[in-house]
Amino acid sequence: DVKVTQSSRYLVKRTGEKVFLECVQDMDHENMFWYRQDPGLGLRLIYFSYDVKMKEKGDIPEGYSVSREKKERFSLILESASTNQTSMYLCASSFFSGDTEAFFGQGTRLTVV
Amino acid sequence: AQRVTQPEKLLSVFKGAPVELKCNYSYSGSPELFWYVQYSRQRLQLLLRHISRESIKGFTADLNKGETSFHLKKPFAQEEDSAMYYCALSGRNQGGKLIFGQGTELSVKP
Repeated sequence: DVKVTQSSRYLVKRTGEKVFLECVQDMDHENMFWYRQDPGLGLRLIYFSYDVKMKEKGDIPEGYSVSREKKERFSLILESASTNQTSMYLCASSFFSGDTEAFFGQGTRLTVV
Repeated sequence: AQRVTQPEKLLSVFKGAPVELKCNYSYSGSPELFWYVQYSRQRLQLLLRHISRESIKGFTADLNKGETSFHLKKPFAQEEDSAMYYCALSGRNQGGKLIFGQGTELSVKP
């Protein structure tokens, strides 16, 4: 069974903290994605990676960075968490070509207080 | 620019009624279009993609390049169809970068 696993289901962090969200996939996918999901706004792409050490900004990269040192792992970093980053974060992975299914993690509900 | 628009935030129908969830896109090239679904407390998952031309759970979607649309249809809605539906687009020349619309919540009432 294919798996995309996010390290935490729920997180509560304080304003100004550095936050790491981890995602691991076991399907040997080239592409990995980080989205945030907000009611009425849908899924907005934060960052996208199509290979190890490669990254591309999505629509809302401000306040975020990413790391992909290994093919199976894609980390999202909030350098200094703010309350407007309270959201559901979804990780996904897919093969390199654009016509294949993307598989999603269970999501991380981050609350910044 | 690559963009997906779902004009309806909420669509409420009665069981047995036809359903159409609208999706429009903009993309300069040949897009790959998808519908993803998220049932309550479950992961987002693929429902169908235009390249497969298949019907899944009674849903179909036709890519209309002239109108740049990829509407999702089902002739007779069931209560278990209640979920959040997202239209998504990927471009072959972008290495699989996947962009989503705002989502439409479908509520099927008994």
